[in-house]
Amino acid sequence: GAVVSQHPSWVICKSGTSVKIECRSLDFQATTMFWYRQFPKQSLMLMATSNEGSKATYEQGVEKDKFLINHASLTLSTLTVTSAHPEDSSFYICSAGASRISTDTQYFGPGTRLTVL
Amino acid sequence: GESVGLHLPTLSVQEGDNSIINCAYSNSASDYFIWYKQESGKGPQFIIDIRSNMDKRQGQRVTVLLNKTVKHLSLQIAATQPGDSAVYFCAERRSSGGYQKVTFGTGTKLQVIP
Repeated sequence: GAVVSQHPSWVICKSGTSVKIECRSLDFQATTMFWYRQFPKQSLMLMATSNEGSKATYEQGVEKDKFLINHASLTLSTLTVTSAHPEDSSFYICSAGASRISTDTQYFGPGTRLTVL
Repeated sequence: GESVGLHLPTLSVQEGDNSIINCAYSNSASDYFIWYKQESGKGPQFIIDIRSNMDKRQGQRVTVLLNKTVKHLSLQIAATQPGDSAVYFCAERRSSGGYQKVTFGTGTKLQVIP
């Protein structure tokens, strides 16, 4: 089956620093990638949708300048949390789909645990 | 507003019994529904899906039922095993702004009692 990886799996950083999270599709080309955030004991909340080669579409309430998304190739998308603060501590999960039109098949990564001190 | 929600936040089931996890959705435009299983510290794992033109779909030990009249979705797990212990999310897909978005419900924690 299709595999999506994330790196790092966990990261601890100081307040004010920036953190980059990578999402890779290992054995398929991901036309569309999705970034989710999940707080403890809560559901996944979609942050943004990105298509390769174009700007990401952010959900309402998600700051574009704070959560920078780059989908430069068909196998890699990155999420950069800029000037991170303790309230940004969360579990960040990406998913990848092979079709721009259909999300019938959406493969999830293992997630990245971010802790901001 | 539009939402996908669950009736029971926690469900405890004896090993070997059947489990039923319920989900209510409010967006009648949703055309596709998915159940995911999430173990602690991991990403969601696809279990089973169903399109809006169906009312039942079966997989291995799992069955999803869709009642569009009352906007209700359920996941049935037969002969529940300790390995089934996890949080289960229903999700709905709908078109929005040219993309198809998947919205997750609040989740139900399934605890299997050995």
